[in-house]
Amino acid sequence: NAGVMQNPRHLVRRRGQEARLRCSPMKGHSHVYWYRQLPEEGLKFMVYLQKENIIDESGMPKERFSAEFPKEGPSILRIQQVVRGDSAAYFCASSPDIGEKLFFGSGTQLSVL
Amino acid sequence: GENVEQHPSTLSVQEGDSAVIKCTYSDSASNYFPWYKQELGKRPQLIIDIRSNVGEKKDQRIAVTLNKTAKHFSLHITETQPEDSAVYFCAASLIGNTGKLIFGQGTTLQVKP
Repeated sequence: NAGVMQNPRHLVRRRGQEARLRCSPMKGHSHVYWYRQLPEEGLKFMVYLQKENIIDESGMPKERFSAEFPKEGPSILRIQQVVRGDSAAYFCASSPDIGEKLFFGSGTQLSVL
Repeated sequence: GENVEQHPSTLSVQEGDSAVIKCTYSDSASNYFPWYKQELGKRPQLIIDIRSNVGEKKDQRIAVTLNKTAKHFSLHITETQPEDSAVYFCAASLIGNTGKLIFGQGTTLQVKP
């Protein structure tokens, strides 16, 4: 089992560009969570998805941010018109079911110039 | 919503000593409490977890205790080693809800050889 795979590991964008972060959950996991981590801070919940459904997006900014988890393919976190404040590490985690352990990917470090 | 407070923010111990990290949570309905270890630039890794029907759980040098009445839980590391140096995060969630974890702010543990 390859674990939770995230790519790219590092992403550099200029202000105003779009950032797409990808997450492939562990095999057999249908629950995906996205978290954001600012330098020297904790992990902040953004969004929880199951296949083809957004279940809880209470931690995601209403504008510029969107997430999807299609029937086929990885989960995508999309940030439009990035600003410097979006610079952070974005982690994806997956679990096989609600209430099961969450396993994290290696994260994507987004830097906005 | 749930809020998790973690103390101390930094902790320095001598190799071989014990380390204790404490967390409090606000939502009395929370019933799952994992601890994650994050080394610099790496993914958070689950090291131990406890559910609310248990007061204590131990795994070799690591133990977690839970006091539901006081709404706090603690991580205990005995016989610390330099490789224990990392940032440790506590978290809380409500199993049966969305399964999302609410994290504490993290504790940077330094074990001096």
